[in-house]
Amino acid sequence: DAKTTQPTSMDCAEGRAANLPCNHSTISGNEYVYWYRQIHSQGPQYIIHGLKNNETNEMASLIITEDRKSSTLILPHATLRDTAVYYCIVRAEYGNKLVFGAGTILRVKS
Amino acid sequence: DGGITQSPKYLFRKEGQNVTLSCEQNLNHDAMYWYRQDPGQGLRLIYYSQIVNDFQKGDIAEGYSVSREKKESFPLTVTSAQKNPTAFYLCASSMEWELNSPLHFGNGTRLTVT
Repeated sequence: DAKTTQPTSMDCAEGRAANLPCNHSTISGNEYVYWYRQIHSQGPQYIIHGLKNNETNEMASLIITEDRKSSTLILPHATLRDTAVYYCIVRAEYGNKLVFGAGTILRVKS
Repeated sequence: DGGITQSPKYLFRKEGQNVTLSCEQNLNHDAMYWYRQDPGQGLRLIYYSQIVNDFQKGDIAEGYSVSREKKESFPLTVTSAQKNPTAFYLCASSMEWELNSPLHFGNGTRLTVT
């Protein structure tokens, strides 16, 4: 059972920041938030993950609220190639068993 | 260039036949996984392996079998007992099972059974 809630779809203008929200209100203290994306007919690609501090890498930033019940993935300057399904995942209680929900379809438009 | 190779990309079989999907990784990862994806849905875990010669059932293991005789390889057999085998199958690996190591995915095999 997915533990996260994401909007079904979002649009973003090319060159603007894309902010993808995720609710995970039942997250427990030792569970990480992961973000992956999947371009059509390809395997998912890891983007970023975090526990409670904000994280940034070359692809994106992850902002986690202080109560950890929600997070936002930020793509700072979206391009057409960022059009994909974005999955927000809370890692299961043990091991590396990730549960993928339906994700958010992000459409970047010129 | 390290990565995960799934072959073939497209596979067609007749109903009642078993079929084996290949997954090879050269990332020296201990853990490997098989997921299934149906149109418009997320991924569902079929089987996973924490280490060589060990594997565990995921959420939808019925009708599938796996083996893990080598660290690099984790083949998935879709048996005739699987009621709805047509799907997109994704293999993944991670450095370790217990630690927070990201999954690396292959580009999938699209299986069509008629």
